[in-house]
Amino acid sequence: EVQLVESGGGLVQPGGSLRLSCAVSGLTFRNYWMHWVRQAPGKGPVWVARINSDGSSITYADSVKGRFTISRDNAKNTLYVQMNSLRAEDTAVYYCAKGQVGSSMVLFDRWGQGTQVTVSS
Amino acid sequence: DIVMTQSPDSLAVSLGERATINCKSSQNILYSSNNKNSLAWYQQKPGQPPRLLIYGASARESGVPDRFGGSGSGTDFTLTISSLQAEDVAVYYCQQYYDTPGTFGQGTKVEIK
Repeated sequence: EVQLVESGGGLVQPGGSLRLSCAVSGLTFRNYWMHWVRQAPGKGPVWVARINSDGSSITYADSVKGRFTISRDNAKNTLYVQMNSLRAEDTAVYYCAKGQVGSSMVLFDRWGQGTQVTVSS
Repeated sequence: DIVMTQSPDSLAVSLGERATINCKSSQNILYSSNNKNSLAWYQQKPGQPPRLLIYGASARESGVPDRFGGSGSGTDFTLTISSLQAEDVAVYYCQQYYDTPGTFGQGTKVEIK
C-alpha cells in the first residue's frame, strides 16, 4: 500500500523557518516526481513546488520562490521542504503528493494526510 | 496563470439523483500533440486530503465508482455523479495540469437535499 506521511509542521513566528518531511513507502520512490501542495483554511489546494526523480529539476510557485527549497533523499525515501522567511499567508495544511510514474505533470494521484503550518506572532 | 472557475459553488441533491458540476478554464487545456485534456477532478471530505477521481477529463482513477463521470474538452468540463450516495457528500475541485502552477477551481460543495 502506498503511504505518504508528512511531519514537521507547527506554530512559527513571522520571519521564522520550518522544515517539513514526507516519508514515502509502498512504491519505488526514485521513479516519481514529487510535489508539495498547500491548502489554506476554507480554500482550494495550491501547488507549491515539484522535484524530479534525482533532484536535478525543480520548479516553484512564484509565491514561494526564493524562500522555500524542495529536496529529496532517495536512500531514505523522503521528500523535504525547507521554508524560510515565513509569512502569515503561508499558513496552511501542507501535503506531499506524488505524480504518475515518470511524469512531471502537476497531477496528483496520491496525497499524504498533511501537516499544519501556522505562522503567527 | 490559467484560471479555473467552477459552478455552482454548492448544490443539494436528493439521494439517487444526478449531480452536475461545471468547470471552465481561462484558456484551452487540450494538448494537440496527444489530443488529451489536462483536466482532473478531486473529491475532498472534511479532514481528509483530496482524492483523485478523474484525469484526462474523462478517465476514472483506479477504484473510483463508475457513478462518477467526466466530460468536456478545450475550456469547458463537467463532473457528473449519476446517482448520488450519502458517501459522496464532499467538496469537489477541478484542476488543470496543462502547465504549472496547476491551478484548482474554488470548489463545489455537494450536500444531500
